[in-house]
Amino acid sequence: AQSVTQLGSHVSVSEGALVLLRCNYSSSVPPYLFWYVQYPNQGLQLLLKYTSAATLVKGINGFEAEFKKSETSFHLTKPSAHMSDAAEYFCAVSTYTGGFKTIFGAGTRLFVKA
Amino acid sequence: EAGVTQFPSHSVIEKGQTVTLRCDPISGHDNLYWYRRVMGKEIKFLLHFVKESKQDESGMPNNRFLAERTGGTYSTLKVQPAELEDSGVYFCASSQGTGPQETQYFGPGTRLLVL
Repeated sequence: AQSVTQLGSHVSVSEGALVLLRCNYSSSVPPYLFWYVQYPNQGLQLLLKYTSAATLVKGINGFEAEFKKSETSFHLTKPSAHMSDAAEYFCAVSTYTGGFKTIFGAGTRLFVKA
Repeated sequence: EAGVTQFPSHSVIEKGQTVTLRCDPISGHDNLYWYRRVMGKEIKFLLHFVKESKQDESGMPNNRFLAERTGGTYSTLKVQPAELEDSGVYFCASSQGTGPQETQYFGPGTRLLVL
Protein backbone atom coordinates (compact mmCIF):
# COMPACT_ATOMS: atom_id res chain seq x y z
CA ALA A 1 0.00 0.00 0.00
CA GLN A 2 1.13 3.52 -0.73
CA SER A 3 1.80 5.95 2.08
CA VAL A 4 3.48 9.27 2.76
CA THR A 5 5.23 10.43 5.91
CA GLN A 6 6.08 14.05 6.50
CA LEU A 7 8.63 14.53 9.24
CA GLY A 8 7.71 17.44 11.45
CA SER A 9 4.24 18.88 11.71
CA HIS A 10 5.77 22.33 12.26
CA VAL A 11 8.97 23.84 10.90
CA SER A 12 10.23 27.30 11.78
CA VAL A 13 12.94 29.14 9.86
CA SER A 14 14.26 32.68 9.74
CA GLU A 15 13.69 34.82 6.71
CA GLY A 16 16.52 34.19 4.25
CA ALA A 17 17.37 30.77 5.68
CA LEU A 18 17.17 27.44 3.91
CA VAL A 19 13.79 25.73 3.89
CA LEU A 20 13.82 21.93 4.12
CA LEU A 21 10.58 20.00 4.44
CA ARG A 22 10.95 16.25 4.61
CA CYS A 23 8.82 13.65 2.90
CA ASN A 24 9.27 9.90 2.70
CA TYR A 25 7.00 7.68 0.67
CA SER A 26 6.17 4.03 0.41
CA SER A 27 5.02 2.63 -2.89
CA SER A 28 5.06 -0.81 -4.44
CA VAL A 29 4.98 0.65 -7.95
CA PRO A 30 6.82 3.61 -9.49
CA PRO A 31 5.35 6.63 -7.78
CA TYR A 32 4.20 9.98 -8.96
CA LEU A 33 5.02 12.49 -6.24
CA PHE A 34 3.65 15.93 -5.56
CA TRP A 35 4.11 18.85 -3.24
CA TYR A 36 1.14 21.12 -2.61
CA VAL A 37 0.93 24.34 -0.60
CA GLN A 38 -2.11 25.71 1.18
CA TYR A 39 -2.28 29.35 2.15
CA PRO A 40 -4.90 30.40 4.71
CA ASN A 41 -8.48 30.15 3.43
CA GLN A 42 -7.33 28.90 0.05
CA GLY A 43 -7.30 25.56 -1.70
CA LEU A 44 -4.25 23.43 -2.25
CA GLN A 45 -1.96 24.72 -4.98
CA LEU A 46 0.50 22.50 -6.81
CA LEU A 47 4.12 23.46 -6.16
CA LEU A 48 5.78 20.75 -8.21
CA LYS A 49 5.48 17.13 -9.27
CA TYR A 50 7.74 14.21 -10.10
CA THR A 51 6.62 12.02 -12.98
CA SER A 52 9.71 9.83 -13.57
CA ALA A 53 11.58 12.31 -15.74
CA ALA A 54 14.34 14.34 -14.06
CA THR A 55 14.95 13.45 -10.42
CA LEU A 56 15.45 17.12 -9.48
CA VAL A 57 12.17 18.89 -9.98
CA LYS A 58 11.82 22.64 -9.99
CA GLY A 59 8.56 24.23 -9.00
CA ILE A 60 6.99 27.59 -8.50
CA ASN A 61 8.16 30.26 -6.06
CA GLY A 62 11.74 28.99 -6.04
CA PHE A 63 10.97 25.59 -4.55
CA GLU A 64 12.50 22.35 -5.74
CA ALA A 65 12.47 18.72 -4.68
CA GLU A 66 14.72 15.78 -5.37
CA PHE A 67 13.45 12.26 -5.88
CA LYS A 68 15.77 9.73 -4.24
CA LYS A 69 14.62 6.22 -4.88
CA SER A 70 17.25 4.63 -2.65
CA GLU A 71 16.04 6.71 0.29
CA THR A 72 12.36 6.71 -0.76
CA SER A 73 12.42 10.44 -0.18
CA PHE A 74 11.11 13.53 -1.92
CA HIS A 75 12.22 16.42 0.28
CA LEU A 76 11.21 19.98 -0.58
CA THR A 77 13.78 22.77 -0.41
CA LYS A 78 14.10 26.47 -1.02
CA PRO A 79 17.45 28.25 -0.64
CA SER A 80 16.10 31.39 0.99
CA ALA A 81 12.82 31.63 2.88
CA HIS A 82 10.51 34.57 2.39
CA MET A 83 7.77 35.71 4.73
CA SER A 84 5.23 34.86 2.04
CA ASP A 85 6.27 31.19 2.18
CA ALA A 86 4.50 30.77 5.51
CA ALA A 87 1.82 28.18 4.77
CA GLU A 88 1.05 24.50 5.14
CA TYR A 89 2.78 22.10 2.78
CA PHE A 90 1.58 18.66 1.78
CA CYS A 91 3.52 15.86 0.17
CA ALA A 92 1.45 13.38 -1.84
CA VAL A 93 1.91 10.19 -3.80
CA SER A 94 -0.32 9.12 -6.63
CA THR A 95 -0.43 5.68 -8.14
CA TYR A 96 -2.65 3.54 -10.27
CA THR A 97 -3.27 0.13 -8.75
CA GLY A 98 -6.57 -0.82 -10.27
CA GLY A 99 -7.87 2.57 -9.22
CA PHE A 100 -6.38 6.02 -9.21
CA LYS A 101 -5.72 7.52 -5.77
CA THR A 102 -3.72 10.35 -4.31
CA ILE A 103 -2.40 9.74 -0.81
CA PHE A 104 -1.45 12.80 1.22
CA GLY A 105 0.89 13.26 4.12
CA ALA A 106 -0.33 14.93 7.30
CA GLY A 107 1.12 18.28 6.29
CA THR A 108 3.92 20.50 7.59
CA ARG A 109 3.20 24.02 8.68
CA LEU A 110 6.05 26.39 7.85
CA PHE A 111 6.62 29.45 9.98
CA VAL A 112 8.98 32.18 8.77
CA LYS A 113 10.46 34.54 11.35
CA ALA A 114 11.54 38.06 10.49
CA GLU B 1 -10.49 30.99 -16.17
CA ALA B 2 -12.45 30.31 -13.00
CA GLY B 3 -10.99 27.79 -10.61
CA VAL B 4 -12.73 25.11 -8.60
CA THR B 5 -15.40 26.62 -6.40
CA GLN B 6 -17.08 25.16 -3.35
CA PHE B 7 -20.18 26.16 -1.46
CA PRO B 8 -20.69 26.86 1.35
CA SER B 9 -17.32 27.93 2.70
CA HIS B 10 -18.43 27.07 6.23
CA SER B 11 -21.28 25.07 7.69
CA VAL B 12 -22.22 24.53 11.32
CA ILE B 13 -24.93 21.97 11.96
CA GLU B 14 -26.18 19.83 14.79
CA LYS B 15 -25.72 16.12 15.02
CA GLY B 16 -28.45 14.34 13.14
CA GLN B 17 -29.03 17.11 10.62
CA THR B 18 -28.35 16.93 6.91
CA VAL B 19 -25.79 18.98 5.03
CA THR B 20 -25.14 19.21 1.31
CA LEU B 21 -21.84 20.44 -0.03
CA ARG B 22 -21.44 21.59 -3.59
CA CYS B 23 -18.44 21.64 -5.89
CA ASP B 24 -18.15 23.29 -9.28
CA PRO B 25 -15.08 22.01 -11.14
CA ILE B 26 -13.11 23.85 -13.76
CA SER B 27 -15.09 23.92 -16.98
CA GLY B 28 -14.20 21.01 -19.22
CA HIS B 29 -12.67 18.89 -16.48
CA ASP B 30 -14.19 15.44 -16.61
CA ASN B 31 -12.52 14.26 -13.43
CA LEU B 32 -13.80 15.39 -10.06
CA TYR B 33 -12.55 14.26 -6.67
CA TRP B 34 -13.70 14.70 -3.11
CA TYR B 35 -11.29 14.65 -0.18
CA ARG B 36 -11.67 15.24 3.54
CA ARG B 37 -9.30 16.46 6.18
CA VAL B 38 -10.21 15.81 9.77
CA MET B 39 -8.51 18.31 12.09
CA GLY B 40 -4.76 17.83 12.27
CA LYS B 41 -4.74 14.70 10.18
CA GLU B 42 -3.95 13.90 6.59
CA ILE B 43 -6.16 14.70 3.65
CA LYS B 44 -8.03 11.55 2.71
CA PHE B 45 -9.50 10.55 -0.61
CA LEU B 46 -13.25 10.01 -0.64
CA LEU B 47 -14.21 9.40 -4.24
CA HIS B 48 -13.54 10.08 -7.89
CA PHE B 49 -16.00 10.87 -10.67
CA VAL B 50 -15.30 10.62 -14.36
CA LYS B 51 -18.04 12.72 -15.87
CA GLU B 52 -21.18 11.52 -14.11
CA SER B 53 -19.88 8.05 -13.23
CA LYS B 54 -18.28 7.06 -9.96
CA GLN B 55 -14.86 5.71 -10.89
CA ASP B 56 -13.75 4.96 -7.36
CA GLU B 57 -15.69 5.48 -4.15
CA SER B 58 -13.55 3.34 -1.92
CA GLY B 59 -12.80 6.22 0.43
CA MET B 60 -16.38 7.01 1.37
CA PRO B 61 -16.63 6.47 5.14
CA ASN B 62 -20.10 4.91 5.28
CA ASN B 63 -23.56 5.02 3.76
CA ARG B 64 -24.38 8.32 5.44
CA PHE B 65 -22.37 9.95 2.66
CA LEU B 66 -23.89 10.30 -0.81
CA ALA B 67 -22.12 11.93 -3.73
CA GLU B 68 -23.72 12.80 -7.03
CA ARG B 69 -22.64 14.43 -10.23
CA THR B 70 -25.69 14.67 -12.41
CA GLY B 71 -24.91 15.76 -15.95
CA GLY B 72 -21.21 15.50 -15.34
CA THR B 73 -20.81 19.12 -14.25
CA TYR B 74 -21.09 20.13 -10.61
CA SER B 75 -21.13 17.62 -7.79
CA THR B 76 -22.82 17.45 -4.43
CA LEU B 77 -21.82 15.57 -1.32
CA LYS B 78 -24.62 14.97 1.14
CA VAL B 79 -24.11 13.84 4.71
CA GLN B 80 -27.27 12.45 6.29
CA PRO B 81 -27.50 12.23 9.23
CA ALA B 82 -24.36 14.08 10.27
CA GLU B 83 -22.28 12.79 13.18
CA LEU B 84 -19.68 14.57 15.30
CA GLU B 85 -16.81 12.72 13.59
CA ASP B 86 -17.87 14.13 10.21
CA SER B 87 -16.42 17.50 11.19
CA GLY B 88 -13.53 18.58 9.03
CA VAL B 89 -12.63 20.32 5.80
CA TYR B 90 -14.05 18.85 2.61
CA PHE B 91 -12.03 19.57 -0.48
CA CYS B 92 -13.03 19.15 -4.06
CA ALA B 93 -10.57 18.90 -6.93
CA SER B 94 -10.80 18.50 -10.66
CA SER B 95 -8.48 17.47 -13.44
CA GLN B 96 -8.66 17.35 -17.20
CA GLY B 97 -7.19 13.93 -17.78
CA THR B 98 -7.24 10.69 -15.88
CA GLY B 99 -4.05 9.28 -14.55
CA PRO B 100 -1.79 9.47 -11.52
CA GLN B 101 0.40 12.11 -13.12
CA GLU B 102 -2.43 14.52 -13.77
CA THR B 103 -2.45 17.81 -11.91
CA GLN B 104 -5.47 18.21 -9.71
CA TYR B 105 -6.83 21.70 -9.07
CA PHE B 106 -8.31 22.16 -5.65
CA GLY B 107 -11.12 24.31 -4.37
CA PRO B 108 -10.83 26.27 -1.10
CA GLY B 109 -12.76 23.65 0.84
CA THR B 110 -15.90 23.61 2.95
CA ARG B 111 -15.34 23.68 6.69
CA LEU B 112 -17.98 21.53 8.35
CA LEU B 113 -18.55 21.57 12.07
CA VAL B 114 -21.04 19.15 13.57
CA LEU B 115 -22.11 20.00 17.11
